[in-house]
Amino acid sequence: DIQMTQSPSSLSASVGDRVTFTCRASQSISSYLNWYQQKPGKAPKLLIYAASSLQSGVPSRFSGSGSGTDFNLTISSLQPEDFATYSCQQSNSTPYTFGQGTKLEIK
Amino acid sequence: QVQLQQSGPGLVKPSQTLSLTCAISGDSVSSNFAAWNWIRQSPSRGLEWLGRTYYRSKWSNDYAVSVKSRITINPDTSRNQFSLQLNSVTPEDTAVYYCARWLSGTRPFDHWGQGTLVTVSS
Repeated sequence: DIQMTQSPSSLSASVGDRVTFTCRASQSISSYLNWYQQKPGKAPKLLIYAASSLQSGVPSRFSGSGSGTDFNLTISSLQPEDFATYSCQQSNSTPYTFGQGTKLEIK
Repeated sequence: QVQLQQSGPGLVKPSQTLSLTCAISGDSVSSNFAAWNWIRQSPSRGLEWLGRTYYRSKWSNDYAVSVKSRITINPDTSRNQFSLQLNSVTPEDTAVYYCARWLSGTRPFDHWGQGTLVTVSS
């Protein structure tokens, strides 16, 4: 199975900050990397697919980059509604696997 | 607009079978461009993909090795839905269960059900 490792596990930031999340795959997954946002009690919401493509309806302050094994998700200017948990997921091969998530908290 | 609506019991006794259904609107379970998945989430395991069913000239399934001996995912074309059955459950199967659509090509899980908390307890 492909292991997905996210760092950091938690992050404190303020409204207006620029933040970057990191995700590393245990082997190359090309660009088959997706990012999700999850709020308490809700299902994950797709933000970025294929490493850098913005899902329809997602604000442009979200962006993704990377290929192979190393990927980033960046929020250019944090808004109050962005405080949530962010998870990466590889869709290169089954079993599809997720990172353990990074919880973004208000500083 | 694609919507996935889950149904099923929230409490299952140990050794019994967990059964959930996911009703699809705005797409077809028989689509040649989608696969229909079950994913669960627990504090100990995080998000864990369990398996999928999909149609590409014939029906196929893929399952996670961790549950392969206990899981069945079936499509129901007459009702445009799909189901999850997980046999011989233990307390370790306690989790929030989600259904989700997977799109071929770029391959994300782009639509999710609302989630069902299933507790395994006597």
